[in-house]
Parts: sequence; C-alpha cells; structure tokens
Amino acid sequence: DIQMTQSPSSLSAFVGDRITITCRASQTVNNYLNWYQVKAGEAPKLLIYAASTLQSGVPSRFTGSGSGTDFTLTIISLQPEDFATYFCQQTYTTPLTFGGGTKVEVK
Amino acid sequence: QVQLQESGPGLVKPSETLSLTCTVSGGDISTYYWSWIRQPPGKGLEWIGYIYNSGTTDYNPSLKSRVIISVDTSRNQVSLNLRSVTAADTAVYYCARSIVYYYYYYMDVWGKGTTVTVSS
Repeated sequence: DIQMTQSPSSLSAFVGDRITITCRASQTVNNYLNWYQVKAGEAPKLLIYAASTLQSGVPSRFTGSGSGTDFTLTIISLQPEDFATYFCQQTYTTPLTFGGGTKVEVK
Repeated sequence: QVQLQESGPGLVKPSETLSLTCTVSGGDISTYYWSWIRQPPGKGLEWIGYIYNSGTTDYNPSLKSRVIISVDTSRNQVSLNLRSVTAADTAVYYCARSIVYYYYYYMDVWGKGTTVTVSS
C-alpha cells in the first residue's frame, strides 16, 4: 500500500493567516492526489483534485501543488469557515489511501 | 443536485454483520463509481472499497475477506455489508460518489456519514 504522511498533524492559526499543509507519499503517485476538508457532522468536501485543480465552487484561496511524492495544500487567507480537518488522498493505485489528517484550529 | 444519505443500525454486536445503505437522490446511480469510506474515532479516513458499472468492485485488501458492496439501481441505493465485525470496526461510515476523468479519480459528493458502534 502507498503510505501518505501529512504534516503537521495539527496547527493553530488566526483568521487571515496563510497556512500550508504538506502531504508526502511513500512512492510516486504522479499527480493523482486529492485534498478534502472534513468537519464533524458534515459531508466531507472535495477541494482539489489532480494535485492542483480546484473543484468547482471551492474558493480560490485554496491552492494545491506538487507532483511525484511531495504535495502541498495552501490556504492563502484563512477564513472562519476553514477551521476543519484536511486530508490528502492518493488515487494512483488501489487501495486508495489517505493521509492522517491535519486539524486546523483557531489560535 | 445529487445528495447522499447513509442509513443503518447505529449499534452492531461483535461477530455480526454490519449493513448500511446509501440512498442517492437527484442523480443517476449507474454511471458513476460509488465508494464507502470510514473514520474510526480519533483516526484518519480508510477507503473500504468501490463499485462501478453496477457490479464491478474493488476492495481494500485489509477488509476484502469480509466486505461486499452492491448497487440496487431500481432503488438508487448502494449497500455495504461487513461481516464478523469487531470493536475495531466502530467508525463513522461515509458513502461517496466518485468521478473518473482522464484517469483522475476523485470523490466529489459525500454523505454526512453514519456512526456505527460495535458493542455487545
């Protein structure tokens, strides 16, 4: 299985901050990498697919980059609704695997 | 707009079978991939498996011997059966619609999830 390692596992930030979350794959996944936002009691939300393509309806403050084994999700100006947990997912091969998650909390 | 709703027992006894249903509204069930994913308390997401073409499946090897995913197109439902459950199967279970676009695969619509506890 391809292991996905996210860092940090949690971070605290202010509204308006720029934050970056890193996801590293144990082997190349090319750019078959997605990012999701998860909030308790809500349906998870697709943010980015194919490493850098913004899903329709997702604000442009979310950006994804990377290829191969190293990827990043950046939120340019954190908004109150962005406090949540973020997961990366590789879809290069099955079993599809997710990172351990990054919880973004209010500072 | 497509909406997904998971349903099923919130409590299952050890060694029994966990059975969940995902009801799809507002869209055609037959032209997409449909996945089940779970999140144990305090842990990350785990892909359980998917079904497409109304019958072709792929499962996580860690669960493959115990899981069956099926589709009922007449009811617009996707089902998950996980047998011989233990406490380790306690989790929030999500269903998700998946898109395949030029070999890119992503889960674009999710349900809110349903919590299943395995306990006697």
